[in-house]
Amino acid sequence: DAKTTQPTSMDCAEGRAANLPCNHSTISGNEYVYWYRQIHSQGPQYIIHGLKNNETNEMASLIITEDRKSSTLILPHATLRDTAVYYCIVRENYGGSQGNLIFGKGTKLSVKP
Amino acid sequence: KAGVTQTPRYLIKTRGQQVTLSCSPISGHRSVSWYQQTPGQGLQFLFEYFSETQRNKGNFPGRFSGRQFSNSRSEMNVSTLELGDSALYLCASSLWWNTEAFFGQGTRLTVV
Repeated sequence: DAKTTQPTSMDCAEGRAANLPCNHSTISGNEYVYWYRQIHSQGPQYIIHGLKNNETNEMASLIITEDRKSSTLILPHATLRDTAVYYCIVRENYGGSQGNLIFGKGTKLSVKP
Repeated sequence: KAGVTQTPRYLIKTRGQQVTLSCSPISGHRSVSWYQQTPGQGLQFLFEYFSETQRNKGNFPGRFSGRQFSNSRSEMNVSTLELGDSALYLCASSLWWNTEAFFGQGTRLTVV
């Protein structure tokens, strides 16, 4: 089962920031938070991942709370092309880690003009 | 740099037949994973290969199998197809087993 909880859907106005929350209250110390998105009928696209520090790349920012029990993915200036299902996943990265990603139902983000 | 390539993109098979799907990972990537996506079950992990060895397997029947070749290309096979095997099959490659995965566009399999 997925170890994360996300809202089923969210709306965002084009040009505004989209803030997508994720709860992962049972995350363990060696688990990272990963975000992927899937635009209709395409393969999932990697967005960003982090352990405990905030992370930023050309696509998005990831804010992880100090207790690591929740995180927020921020798309700073959402466009219509950002309409997709966004998946938050926790996953081990070291040692006997397993490569499989456990996808939940994700959040359907609709960016509206 | 070319992305993950899956072939074919679309496939129609009859119940009872078998099917082989192919995945070419990003150049230099050594880990390949397979996922099944259906409207009812969502994205589910099938198996993962690294350096030609299966590292992990999801909860699927033995009709689903896979392999990885020395050039990291991978194939998955489904024997004795059932209607419920109709799905989008996705392949993902990673540089290593514990690094971010990059997905292909998938093969849409329809079993009739």
